[in-house]
Amino acid sequence: QVQLVQSGAEVKKPGASVKVSCKASGYTFTNYDINWVRQATGQGLEWMGWMNPNSGTTDYAQNFQGRVTMTRNTSISTAYMELSSLRSEDTAVYYCARDSYGLDYWGQGTLVTVSS
Amino acid sequence: QTVVTQEPSLTVSPGGTVTLTCASSTGAVTSGYYPNWFQQKPGQAPRALIYSTRNKHSWTPARFSGSLLGGKAALTLSGVQPEDEAEYYCLLYYGGARVFGGGTKLTVL
Repeated sequence: QVQLVQSGAEVKKPGASVKVSCKASGYTFTNYDINWVRQATGQGLEWMGWMNPNSGTTDYAQNFQGRVTMTRNTSISTAYMELSSLRSEDTAVYYCARDSYGLDYWGQGTLVTVSS
Repeated sequence: QTVVTQEPSLTVSPGGTVTLTCASSTGAVTSGYYPNWFQQKPGQAPRALIYSTRNKHSWTPARFSGSLLGGKAALTLSGVQPEDEAEYYCLLYYGGARVFGGGTKLTVL
């Protein structure tokens, strides 16, 4: 069965960076793009970008360009999302999602808290 | 900046029918935007319901259907159940970019 398992919660100080992982299983990792989506508490979903795990090609939402980097390690079927220059407004749950038949499978989410 | 608009909230009676819509600031939504619909309950990750306008996932209940209606993407729930109370989000594809709607809070009352 397809699963996306994300890394645990993080607490970071303003100005720091965070790297969230998303380990895929149950399918061929390089066959489908991985998208990243975030959700601040009580707010809606915000698309951050996608990465093609086969080629490493990425496409980032305008709001995050210059601050987000999406990478992968195909040997362990894991995608990563790194967000830099963190500010309090980046406090949110971050999700990875596979793009196959739409965004069909989602990770459980990773809470990132930015606080001094 | 592209904006995708959904009704902020809707209320439906159990057993009733309700349609949620998803509009694009760029104009009419077509199948080329590959509309997706998701359901999210408090404390849970979003769950995919519909992809490419009207296609259901294997786990999507039959009472959910997707369509295009009056230049918008639409999600119709027929025979609403109490467990359908949730937030619903649409997602549109704009070439390489994707944009979520603001979500519709569906109350079953």
